[in-house]
Amino acid sequence: SQQGEEDPQALSIQEGENATMNCSYKTSINNLQWYRQNSGRGLVHLILIRSNEREKHSGRLRVTLDTSKKSSSLLITASRAADTASYFCATGEGGSEKLVFGKGTKLTVNP
Amino acid sequence: DAGVIQSPRHEVTEMGQEVTLRCKPISGHDYLFWYRQTMMRGLELLIYFNNNVPIDDSGMPEDRFSAKMPNASFSTLKIQPSEPRDSAVYFCASSLASGGPYNEQFFGPGTRLTVL
Repeated sequence: SQQGEEDPQALSIQEGENATMNCSYKTSINNLQWYRQNSGRGLVHLILIRSNEREKHSGRLRVTLDTSKKSSSLLITASRAADTASYFCATGEGGSEKLVFGKGTKLTVNP
Repeated sequence: DAGVIQSPRHEVTEMGQEVTLRCKPISGHDYLFWYRQTMMRGLELLIYFNNNVPIDDSGMPEDRFSAKMPNASFSTLKIQPSEPRDSAVYFCASSLASGGPYNEQFFGPGTRLTVL
């Protein structure tokens, strides 16, 4: 069953704008990860944030985590057409390597 | 490294036939995961292995599905008999546990299965 739920389901922006995607989850987690999937391809890991962290940066990506609200956000700054893809959050629980994925946000960046 | 390798990339079969999907994880990775992706249900974990041993198969939909990992460099997911509702993209992923807790997973390109 889905743990994370991304919002919005679809997002269309112009190149150069920022894109923000949100993820909400239900149970306690020990880490949350964001993945990108280009059309017809496998998922690619973007960033991991642990439950004791509040914010993390990687290049043009910024991830925040609010465990009290059980939510996370992914911000892509200065978006490019190449950022067009689906973005998934995945949550890890307990001592398991298992991840539970949301259904994703489909981002379209128009040139 | 070539990354996670899956074969075939596309499979079209008829209902009732046996289907075998194959995966070669990244060399040295300890964990191997099989996922299924559909529009309706999203990405679902079917089963995962640690050091070739199945750890959690609670996501395997029914007895028609079976998975094996005979060695560290090869895994199969078998569906027998196949049904049209099994049509989906099946992904294999691997991860390196010794990289620390909560590790990223590396995904293969997927096998698109169509059951007619």
